Amino acid sequence: DTGVSQDPRHKITKRGQNVTFRCDPISEHNRLYWYRQTLGQGPEFLTYFQNEAQLEKSRLLSDRFSAERPKGSFSTLEIQRTEQGDSAMYLCASSKNGVASQFFGPGTRLTVL
Amino acid sequence: QKEVEQDPGPLSVPEGAIVSLNCTYSNSAFQYFMWYRQYSRKGPELLMYTYSSGNKEDGRFTAQVDKSSKYISLFIRDSQPSDSATYLCAMSDGNKLVFGAGTILRVKS
Repeated sequence: DTGVSQDPRHKITKRGQNVTFRCDPISEHNRLYWYRQTLGQGPEFLTYFQNEAQLEKSRLLSDRFSAERPKGSFSTLEIQRTEQGDSAMYLCASSKNGVASQFFGPGTRLTVL
Repeated sequence: QKEVEQDPGPLSVPEGAIVSLNCTYSNSAFQYFMWYRQYSRKGPELLMYTYSSGNKEDGRFTAQVDKSSKYISLFIRDSQPSDSATYLCAMSDGNKLVFGAGTILRVKS
């Protein structure tokens, strides 16, 4: 299967710790997106890359959040000094031909204690 | 007020029923309209997307977009228990997707 993969699938951490998530998009997809989803809500946009360039960041992406896509392939999302409010599902999606055909990964579920 | 409004349900129907799911939106710049299906604790799965107004059919699924009313719909014919999931509408003006909160659908056998 060559779908979007995310690692880890689950992460439990203590408040104040740093965490990093990885996303591997579908090969040849030049766009990569990060979203955050909380219980009972739809995914909310965080940021997106076209190749290695980060082209848009949401206001939701505070100073504690940083994302990279160094070689235009996989991407990482780091959260520094985690807070309980960061507990959510972090979803990665990729697309080849623009915004419409985004394919999502299984997500990383973060729990901050 | 949210940009995209979607009734959270749950919507409960018997097997074989026709299901109608809907979203309204406020941003007239939206041009792309998508429907995703999400099973519990899984990532969203793209079902259909439509550019601008009109209808699109794919198997048991039909998507409709009425830009004049800022209203989109997804119809599911001959619903099956395996269709039980959360259905998310999503829209875009070109870069990011803006999602509704999702409607929980339960199809009873």
